[in-house]
Amino acid sequence: DTGVSQDPRHKITKRGQNVTFRCDPISEHNRLYWYRQTLGQGPEFLTYFQNEAQLEKSRLLSDRFSAERPKGSFSTLEIQRTEQGDSAMYLCASSYTAQGLNEKLFFGSGTQLSVL
Amino acid sequence: AQTVTQSQPEMSVQEAETVTLSCTYDTSESDYYLFWYKQPPSRQMILVIRQEAYKQQNATENRFSVNFQKAAKSFSLKISDSQLGDAAMYFCAYRSRHGGSQGNLIFGKGTKLSVKP
Repeated sequence: DTGVSQDPRHKITKRGQNVTFRCDPISEHNRLYWYRQTLGQGPEFLTYFQNEAQLEKSRLLSDRFSAERPKGSFSTLEIQRTEQGDSAMYLCASSYTAQGLNEKLFFGSGTQLSVL
Repeated sequence: AQTVTQSQPEMSVQEAETVTLSCTYDTSESDYYLFWYKQPPSRQMILVIRQEAYKQQNATENRFSVNFQKAAKSFSLKISDSQLGDAAMYFCAYRSRHGGSQGNLIFGKGTKLSVKP
C-alpha cells in the first residue's frame, strides 16, 4: 500500500492553457474524491466517483472542469482555458466503503496549480 | 446547507501541555459524522479522530480526544501532552450520513497550531 499518489506535485501554466492532473488511489479503493484548497481555506469538495461512475459534482465544478475515472482505477482532472482564479491546490482522496458506512478517506499530497 | 466554523485562526501551545481547538457547525440533520484532520507542511491531510453523531460517548485516540456537544453543535479537539510533531493546520469537517451529500466532506477554514519547545 503506497498511499494515494498525485502527479504532478506542482504545475505552473499560463492563463488560457489546458492542464490535466492525475490521481492514483490506493489499490482496490472503490471511491475517489477531488477537492480544491485555496490559500487560507479548508478543502472544498469538487466531485467523487464510485468505481467508474461519477456520482456527485459540486457547483464549483464549472464547464471548464472535467473529471474521469476510466475502469474505476486512476482518475484525471482536466481544466480547460485556465484562469487565475483556478490557482489552488487540488487534492485527491480515496476510500473503500460498502454503502457509505464507516468510510475513511486517505488523501494524497495534492497538485499545486499556479496560473500566471 | 451545512457549515463548519473554526473561530481560532492560530493557536500556540507549550510542548507537553494541553490545547483545545474549537469547532462549531450548523446542520438540520440529526445523523452525521464529524472529523478532525491534520495537515502538516507535507500537505497530506491525515485523519486524527472521528465522531458519529448518534454516539453520545466522546471519541478518543491516544492523546487526542473530542468534546462533542450535539445540542450546542460544538465539536472541540483536545490534544494532551503536545509534541513538536503536532504542529500543523487542523481542520474540522462534517459529513452527512445519508442522502446526496453523503459523498463529500465540508471543512472549516482551519486552525494553525504551533508547538513551542
